[in-house]
Amino acid sequence: QSVLTQPPSVSAAPGQRVTISCSGSNSNIGNNYVSWYQHLPGTAPKLLIYDTNKRPSGIPDRFSGSKSGTSATLDIRGLQTGDEAVYYCGTWNNSLSATVVFGGGTKLTVI
Amino acid sequence: QLQLEESGGGVVQPGRSLRLSCAASGFTFSTYAMHWVRQAPGKGLEWVTVISYDGSKRFYADSVKGRFTISRDNSNNTLYLQMNSLSGDDTAVYYCARDMYSTSSQVLTSWGQGTLVTVSS
Repeated sequence: QSVLTQPPSVSAAPGQRVTISCSGSNSNIGNNYVSWYQHLPGTAPKLLIYDTNKRPSGIPDRFSGSKSGTSATLDIRGLQTGDEAVYYCGTWNNSLSATVVFGGGTKLTVI
Repeated sequence: QLQLEESGGGVVQPGRSLRLSCAASGFTFSTYAMHWVRQAPGKGLEWVTVISYDGSKRFYADSVKGRFTISRDNSNNTLYLQMNSLSGDDTAVYYCARDMYSTSSQVLTSWGQGTLVTVSS
């Protein structure tokens, strides 16, 4: 069971907008930046968002991130069929032993 | 071009050991922290461990603490994961990933393709 909670799946039509939530606590999201990763089966995961709302070079501005309190959100606009993947949030967990934690992943289906 | 290539995976019996390697190229390996992340069959990503750029700091997930050891050879641009006392719960694809910074953060900028470890008798 993941420390960060994500919905198992979301779906939307091409061209539409979808949001993926990531819920945590003050031990993780509430006091740390959040990253988001895109993972297609059989490939290397890709960094989409870091420091909660920054995009690495090459990531289109259709992808955006935000945070409020102990929850973070990935927003994808203008959905494309190529966006179909599993999306993970990640952050630090400031517990007894500092660690990186990921959400359980959200499968995005573009229908 | 940045490349991370994992190797060393395979089938291993419960209780035995295995060492994974990750060969890095295309960037100055010695200036970045490095991670291992795994994905069990049908499951999500699970962070395993991180090592700072100079090897002075290492952090582990509770699930592997005391059994796994991360290390690096900056002269050969290689990251390692020594895995001991393996069990079926350790069956997964293991990815190495580069951190954005020299000390550990939660920003994994580049990932390898992964190597499969299967623990089975």
